[in-house]
Amino acid sequence: GNSVTQMEGPVTLSEEAFLTINCTYTATGYPSLFWYVQYPGEGLQLLLKATKADDKGSNKGFEATYRKETTSFHLEKGSVQVSDSAVYFCALSARNTGNQFYFGTGTSLTVIP
Amino acid sequence: SAVISQKPSRDICQRGTSLTIQCQVDSQVTMMFWYRQQPGQSLTLIATANQGSEATYESGFVIDKFPISRPNLTFSTLTVSNMSPEDSSIYLCSVDRQGGTEAFFGQGTRLTVV
Repeated sequence: GNSVTQMEGPVTLSEEAFLTINCTYTATGYPSLFWYVQYPGEGLQLLLKATKADDKGSNKGFEATYRKETTSFHLEKGSVQVSDSAVYFCALSARNTGNQFYFGTGTSLTVIP
Repeated sequence: SAVISQKPSRDICQRGTSLTIQCQVDSQVTMMFWYRQQPGQSLTLIATANQGSEATYESGFVIDKFPISRPNLTFSTLTVSNMSPEDSSIYLCSVDRQGGTEAFFGQGTRLTVV
């Protein structure tokens, strides 16, 4: 079946630190991969996505590369800001399950000044 | 993109009562999804709502507890029935407009049952 395993948090970093949040997946076929972000009190927003192997999604300084050989989609940012404090969800969507989305458990990030 | 309006944004309800959550999309969509996000947890799909047919429920969720309506291609409701404190969660409406290449979410309904 399809599933997403995500690095557990919470993660606390100082401003300008480097961020990595690990995400690996299990899927049959060729899923699309996503990172969603949830700011306090809000719904989920798409941060970035990649639809095929070796694609790199990027947005707001965040990046993630679809690695089929390691079934991974790790989220990185070179220099985090206080405003990046949120919960980050890795997700996949697979056509063999009617494009249903599968989410990881979420990683809470707090960036301190 | 899709703009999804969900209401209420939050509510505090007495146990044993029911709450209906509304989800309005700014354009027509085939499928609408309802998720539950329990405190500190990830999203769990409750059901998929197609216009003109009964909703399809995931394992562990039943129609009597979470009846869903889908009267047209831009609107859906989820009712949480006979609530207990264990139903305290964030409920999220979602649509998929691009064949699985992106999901859009409402801002969620934060439900507290006392």
